[in-house]
Amino acid sequence: ETGVTQSPTHLIKTRGQQVTLRCSSQSGHNTVSWYQQALGQGPQFIFQYYREEENGRGNFPPRFSGLQFPNYSSELNVNALELDDSALYLCASSSRGGGSDTQYFGPGTRLTVL
Amino acid sequence: QKEVEQDPGPLSVPEGAIVSLNCTYSNSAFQYFMWYRQYSRKGPELLMYTYSSGNKEDGRFTAQVDKSSKYISLFIRDSQPSDSATYLCAMSGGWNNAGNMLTFGGGTRLMVKP
Repeated sequence: ETGVTQSPTHLIKTRGQQVTLRCSSQSGHNTVSWYQQALGQGPQFIFQYYREEENGRGNFPPRFSGLQFPNYSSELNVNALELDDSALYLCASSSRGGGSDTQYFGPGTRLTVL
Repeated sequence: QKEVEQDPGPLSVPEGAIVSLNCTYSNSAFQYFMWYRQYSRKGPELLMYTYSSGNKEDGRFTAQVDKSSKYISLFIRDSQPSDSATYLCAMSGGWNNAGNMLTFGGGTRLMVKP
């Protein structure tokens, strides 16, 4: 059984640019959630995807968008990057309807915005 | 005021000590309670998962939930230097039309000294 994987590991962008982060869910999981973790803080929920549709969203602006693909992998896109977007972006997978809603996290992508 | 409060620490203990980590919360809709361990620059790793009030034990770890007081705890017995990490509590109300988002505390940094 493979765990949650994310790419890239690190990324450096400049203010105003756009970025795409990728996530492959754990085998057997059909739901992907994205979280933002600023340095020294707990993760903050961005949104969740189930059956290729957004299924819940936290307090993040529309320039944060996502996709889920038929194989349950997912992308997080951030447009018009701001300095405050510098953070660790975490992807978590879970199985809706599978009897447990436990979320398992990937290693994260560290984004630095200069 | 944050929905989930957690003392940031750092908490420094000698090897072999019993560690107590705690979170308080304000949202009475929370029914699922988790503890994650996060090593520096890594993704959170699920340690304990409990539903509603009560205790759950797994090896050296015991999780307690007191919904009447809106208070959860994680105890670590016979602490080891390898337990040095940030411990995050997380909670959710379960699946609903808005998905299943986790709300995290800010994390407590634990240092176990040999």
